Amino acid sequence: TQLLEQSPQFLSIQEGENLTVYCNSSSVFSSLQWYRQEPGEGPVLLVTVVTGGEVKKLKRLTFQFGDARKDSSLHITAAQPGDTGLYLCAGGPGNQFYFGTGTSLTVIP
Amino acid sequence: GAVVSQHPSWVICKSGTSVKIECRSLDFQATTMFWYRQFPKQSLMLMATSNEGSKATYEQGVEKDKFLINHASLTLSTLTVTSAHPEDSSFYICSANPPRQGVLYEQYFGPGTRLTVT
Repeated sequence: TQLLEQSPQFLSIQEGENLTVYCNSSSVFSSLQWYRQEPGEGPVLLVTVVTGGEVKKLKRLTFQFGDARKDSSLHITAAQPGDTGLYLCAGGPGNQFYFGTGTSLTVIP
Repeated sequence: GAVVSQHPSWVICKSGTSVKIECRSLDFQATTMFWYRQFPKQSLMLMATSNEGSKATYEQGVEKDKFLINHASLTLSTLTVTSAHPEDSSFYICSANPPRQGVLYEQYFGPGTRLTVT
């Protein structure tokens, strides 16, 4: 059973387009993290959201935590080829982390 | 801050041999480290939680006798893949928590180790 489901699983878009990635669970999380991973490397932390309804912005990336703290979304505005990578949400009970199923994003120049 | 290193970055071994992977927290002490496994194009799967000075906690379906974890100090955890087989070939990643800040449980990841068993 996957604790965190992400959608879409794969996404290929043209440079300049906008996109949204979703992370959903039936469980409540005290915090949820978003990571970006490039091939052959470890995941890099992008943001942590803690409060239900919280919205955080990181340049062209906007992260939102659902009011019930069961889901989250990542919105990228005007995607660039450098945004290409595997995006992962993660959360869990206490300090154990379970990762979402992942969203592989390809931005075509 | 919060840098985690892994060694080696890649290793090729013959079937039946054992391989040790090291995970170090370079600028903080980590009482807990985590080991993950990742197959191509897939997400990370938690294998075990490594606790300093005590036995590791393994996730369901992970063979503890095959994946030996030792967390001998606050900055080092090791994963030994014993009697490796080709199906053990994967990308192994460790992570560690910096000291807790409020309700945040942020993990910082090592760069991963690519294991190929021939």
